[in-house]
Amino acid sequence: AQKITQTQPGMFVQEKEAVTLDCTYDTSDPSYGLFWYKQPSSGEMIFLIYQGSYDQQNATEGRYSLNFQKARKSANLVISASQLGDSAMYFCAMRAGTGFQKLVFGTGTRLLVSP
Amino acid sequence: NAGVTQTPKFQVLKTGQSMTLQCAQDMNHNSMYWYRQDPGMGLRLIYYSASEGTTDKGEVPNGYNVSRLNKREFSLRLESAAPSQTSVYFCASSENSGRYQPQHFGDGTRLSIL
Repeated sequence: AQKITQTQPGMFVQEKEAVTLDCTYDTSDPSYGLFWYKQPSSGEMIFLIYQGSYDQQNATEGRYSLNFQKARKSANLVISASQLGDSAMYFCAMRAGTGFQKLVFGTGTRLLVSP
Repeated sequence: NAGVTQTPKFQVLKTGQSMTLQCAQDMNHNSMYWYRQDPGMGLRLIYYSASEGTTDKGEVPNGYNVSRLNKREFSLRLESAAPSQTSVYFCASSENSGRYQPQHFGDGTRLSIL
C-alpha cells in the first residue's frame, strides 16, 4: 500500500525567508510520481510541482523546488523567498502501484508567512 | 485559461433531495476524477473515468453516481442526499491515468446537506 506522511501540522516563516515542508512516502513500487499541491484559504487545489521516481534531477518551478532523496524516501518542498500569498495548506501526494494508481494525499502542512 | 470548471460553487440541500455536480475541463485530458474533502480525512476518491466511455468506483462510491458525458464533462450525482455527504467536492483531470501525470483540480463545490 502507498502512504504519504507529513509530520508538520503547521509551519511559520518570515517573509522573504526560505522554508522546507517535509514529506516522506512509502511504496514498494519502483515507479511512482510525487506531487505537491497548495490549498489557500479560498479552497482551491493548485498543482505546484512534480517529481518522477526515475528523474535524476530535483524538480524546480519558479520559487518551488522539490528536494528528492530516494534512499530516504523523502520529497520535501522548498519554497524560496516566501511571500504573504504563500500562506496556505500544502499537500504532498503520490501515485504508484499496479492497475489504476490513485492519488494518495498526506494530511497537509499549514504554512503561515508573517511580514 | 479556464482549466477545470465546477458548478455550482455552493449548494445547500435538504436530506433526500437529489442534485448533480457539473465538471468540465478544457485541457483535452483523457482522465477525470471526483474527490471529497472532509476535515481530518484528506481527499478521498469517489469515482474516476480513466478515459471517455469508462467509469470506475474509487474509495467512497456509495450514495453517488457519475456520468462521463463526453471527453470534456464528468458529472457527479447524489440521488438521495444524506447529511454524511456534507463535504467539499473536487473534480480533477489529468492527461491520462498514468502515475507520472499530475491532476489538475477545479475550485471545488461546497455542499451542505441539512
